[in-house]
Amino acid sequence: DARVTQTPRHKVTEMGQEVTMRCQPILGHNTVFWYRQTMMQGLELLAYFRNRAPLDDSGMPKDRFSAEMPDATLATLKIQPSEPRDSAVYFCASGLPTGLRNTIYFGEGSWLTVV
Amino acid sequence: ELKVEQNPLFLSMQEGKNYTIYCNYSTTSDRLYWYRQDPGKSLESLFVLLSNGAVKQEGRLMASLDTKARLSTLHITAAVHDLSATYFCAPGEGSNYKLTFGKGTLLTVNP
Repeated sequence: DARVTQTPRHKVTEMGQEVTMRCQPILGHNTVFWYRQTMMQGLELLAYFRNRAPLDDSGMPKDRFSAEMPDATLATLKIQPSEPRDSAVYFCASGLPTGLRNTIYFGEGSWLTVV
Repeated sequence: ELKVEQNPLFLSMQEGKNYTIYCNYSTTSDRLYWYRQDPGKSLESLFVLLSNGAVKQEGRLMASLDTKARLSTLHITAAVHDLSATYFCAPGEGSNYKLTFGKGTLLTVNP
């Protein structure tokens, strides 16, 4: 059963440390998203890629966040340095716009706590 | 900037009853997604609505889309406890598939 795979599932880190989250999209999907979910802000789009090219990263704090797709099977989201306000669940999602179903599938999420 | 408003945000209903969740959005969109999220879990895709007048049904849930009114509805028929979850709508912006999520509707179905 095809699915979006995210690592780590859970991460507790100290303020100031670098955090890297990884995502393996579903094979064949060419659009990849990073969302952040918090109680206060809900689901926010941080960045997304089409065919590995960044389309929109306007939702991402540029001074500390960066998102890349080194290849079609890997997307990364990096926070450096991390801050307590970055504590959230980070979801990766993938989809294929021209596909028959047009569904966007979400990974299980990376639960980040910055202390 | 696309704004999405879901209502109600909280819904407590009895088993066997019917109810509708509404999703209004502020700018033109030609597609709309509905997701379900259980506590501590990921988002599960329920429906993808791709055209004006689209209606899709799965079990006790039925979703519809009116692009002219910028409105989608999620109708629950004869609710059961297993439907308790948070439901999100997300219209897509432009051709790039960008989704903007509503705040979600927390549904609790009581026996």
